[in-house]
Amino acid sequence: SQQGEEDPQALSIQEGENATMNCSYKTSINNLQWYRQNSGRGLVHLILIRSNEREKHSGRLRVTLDTSKKSSSLLITASRAADTASYFCATEDSNYQLIWGAGTKLIIKP
Amino acid sequence: DVKVTQSSRYLVKRTGEKVFLECVQDMDHENMFWYRQDPGLGLRLIYFSYDVKMKEKGDIPEGYSVSREKKERFSLILESASTNQTSMYLCASSSPGGPNEKLFFGSGTQLSVL
Repeated sequence: SQQGEEDPQALSIQEGENATMNCSYKTSINNLQWYRQNSGRGLVHLILIRSNEREKHSGRLRVTLDTSKKSSSLLITASRAADTASYFCATEDSNYQLIWGAGTKLIIKP
Repeated sequence: DVKVTQSSRYLVKRTGEKVFLECVQDMDHENMFWYRQDPGLGLRLIYFSYDVKMKEKGDIPEGYSVSREKKERFSLILESASTNQTSMYLCASSSPGGPNEKLFFGSGTQLSVL
């Protein structure tokens, strides 16, 4: 079953703006990860946040996790054309299964 | 950096053919995975392996088998390809610290079954 669901499905913003995408899930989790996928390529791991963490940063990326709302958000600040990609969240549930969302397609307009 | 190499970027096969998709990783990872990716469905796990000679079914193993004779190589086999197996196939590996953490993916194989 699809646990992680990204929102929005697609997002188009101007270069330099911030991009925010969300992931919701249904069951308790051990951790949540975000991955990026450029068109027609494999996925690249961006960041992992554990269930006992609330916020993590990596460069221009900021991830928050709200376990009470069963949701996470990925913020990309000062977006660049190279950030154009699909972004996926993946949650590891208490049975150690990794469940993927369907992704958010981000387009950065120059 | 970890490199996960999939043997083909694009593959076109006929219905009923036996298809081999090869995946090799160069970082001595114990854990390897095969996913398929279809639009709007995210990634679905076909098979995974935590060690040589070991294999476990994922969520959608029907119509597929795998082979892991060497640690660095994990092969996906479609015994008799069907049109509903047209998809993007992604191989991934991870280190033993947390098998589901920080997966490294290959570039994918877009398989078309005609």
